[in-house]
Formats: sequence, structure tokens, C-alpha cells
Amino acid sequence: DVKVTQSSRYLVKRTGEKVFLECVQDMDHENMFWYRQDPGLGLRLIYFSYDVKMKEKGDIPEGYSVSREKKERFSLILESASTNQTSMYLCASSLVLAGESPYNEQFFGPGTRLTVL
Amino acid sequence: KQEVTQIPAALSVPEGENLVLNCSFTDSAIYNLQWFRQDPGKGLTSLLLIQSSQREQTSGRLNASLDKSSGRSTLYIAASQPGDSATYLCATLYSGAGSYQLTFGKGTKLSVIP
Repeated sequence: DVKVTQSSRYLVKRTGEKVFLECVQDMDHENMFWYRQDPGLGLRLIYFSYDVKMKEKGDIPEGYSVSREKKERFSLILESASTNQTSMYLCASSLVLAGESPYNEQFFGPGTRLTVL
Repeated sequence: KQEVTQIPAALSVPEGENLVLNCSFTDSAIYNLQWFRQDPGKGLTSLLLIQSSQREQTSGRLNASLDKSSGRSTLYIAASQPGDSATYLCATLYSGAGSYQLTFGKGTKLSVIP
């Protein structure tokens, strides 16, 4: 079974802090994703990575950056956390299949609930 | 821009009932549609994926249908159980100009009462 783990289930940070959210998958997936989920807004894609050191902006990349130095690990970075970044953050991964969308068969982690005070 | 709507936002049914969850979308030029389940405080689990060329997919007590022309999908759950209580999300995948766009609905929160 694919396992996607996220470093923290709950995190509380202060405004202006630099925050790292870590995601690790154990199935050698090429694609990894970071989403945030907010009540009334649903899931929104922040960043997508299709290979080591490769990334694409999603719908809401502002205020975030990402790092993919190893295939199994995808980090989301909040350079200077703000209160409007309080949210549930979900990481996902998927395998590359010829002719298939990277969004097929995504496996999600349990989420990190981040509160910025 | 694709918009995905799920109505109702919440649904409560007694155990054993058959039920239907609805999903509608504004742009019918989709690549596929997926249904997910999310338990409280947890990530998403993929339930069913329907390709644009398909009309329905089945898995156990779940059946998902797709009508692209009308911009609608339904998730049918037979003989509901308390363990089915969760939030169900649908998402459409659009493919065009060499890129993909996955758009989620806001979900329907289902409660199955024993």
C-alpha cells in the first residue's frame, strides 16, 4: 500500500515565522502535490512537482515555495507565515503512467492543520 | 473557469437507506471525474474515477454515473451504513493546451444514523 506521511498533524506558529511542512511518500512516485483546504473554499492546489527539482505553480502559490531535493520528499515552505495561511494542508503523490494525467490515482497524506497566530 | 458544485452541503439518513449525492460542473469538456471520501481530520481517499468516455463506474455498494452533456455526476450508495459517514468530494479534471486542471467541489457531509 502507498503511504504518504506528513511530518506534523497539528502545528501552531507565529506570524512572521518561517514554516516547513514535510511530506514523504514510500512508493517511488514521480508526482507530488501540495493542497490547502479551507471551509467554503474546498481544496486548492498550491504547487505540483513532477520530478526531483521540478515544480509548477498551482492555483494559489503566492506566499509559498516548495523544495524537492529527493524523489520521496516534497516540502512546502511558508517564508513568513501570516494568519491567512491558517488552514489544513494536504500532500498527495501519484505515479506517472504513459498517456495518463498526473492527477489520476492520487494518494493523500493525513493532513497538517496549521494555525498561525 | 470550471466550477464544481455539490448540493446538499450536508445530508443525514437512517442506516440502510439508499442515497444519492450530486455533483454538477459548468464546463463539460472534462478529461475525467473523480469521487473522494474524507473522514474528519484526515486526507482524501479516492473512491471512483470515471473517464470522459464512460457513463458509470461501480465499486461494491458505490456506483458513480457521469452525464457530460448535462454537466452532472451522481454517487449512489446502496444500503448505507454508519461507517459511510464522511464528507464526499467530487473533482473534475480538465485537460487542454498541454496542462491539467483539477477542480474540487466543496463536498457533501454525509451522516448515517444507526
